[in-house]
Amino acid sequence: EADIYQTPRYLVIGTGKKITLECSQTMGHDKMYWYQQDPGMELHLIHYSYGVNSTEKGDLSSESTVSRIRTEHFPLTLESARPSHTSQYLCASSGGLRQYFGPGTRLTVT
Amino acid sequence: GESVGLHLPTLSVQEGDNSIINCAYSNSASDYFIWYKQESGKGPQFIIDIRSNMDKRQGQRVTVLLNKTVKHLSLQIAATQPGDSAVYFCAENLYTSKLTFGKGITLSVRP
Repeated sequence: EADIYQTPRYLVIGTGKKITLECSQTMGHDKMYWYQQDPGMELHLIHYSYGVNSTEKGDLSSESTVSRIRTEHFPLTLESARPSHTSQYLCASSGGLRQYFGPGTRLTVT
Repeated sequence: GESVGLHLPTLSVQEGDNSIINCAYSNSASDYFIWYKQESGKGPQFIIDIRSNMDKRQGQRVTVLLNKTVKHLSLQIAATQPGDSAVYFCAENLYTSKLTFGKGITLSVRP
């Protein structure tokens, strides 16, 4: 099993709040990813990183931002949460082509 | 743009039967394909992968078949068990290290 962790697992927060979703991996992978997923739907890539100090936007436009200061850590931040941000956020990492996923954070913005 | 799609949204099979989940991809230059299983409330879990220079790959109770002529990928699960009930995703890679995912198909196993 992959060692990739996400916290919190569930978050209910009011509109306008700033939130940070945490993602950490202990496999030493250079590449990390954030996906957004609605229930039963496909995964949409919103951010990725190929290494420290490298971040790129994904295929799906997102108001969130990411940082990669350490290899093992790839947090995602929403400066001002809105109901439209309600979704599941999945973090993944890879050393090659195979991506390993964390358990996800289910975010609900009220 | 490139897309990966699944033919059917749901599949219901009898416990003990074999399951076949199909996936179509649109870019003939894709060089890597992967299947994930996602259970409710969890992240996707790796099942099996295959590179474009192969036609078939077998794992434990699972087989992936790649038909590059018709750009078709399938996942076969032998002796389907209740624990196989989940949403299954195929994904493809086109040179980069980014995967493009298709819509999930729900596999439901009848006891």
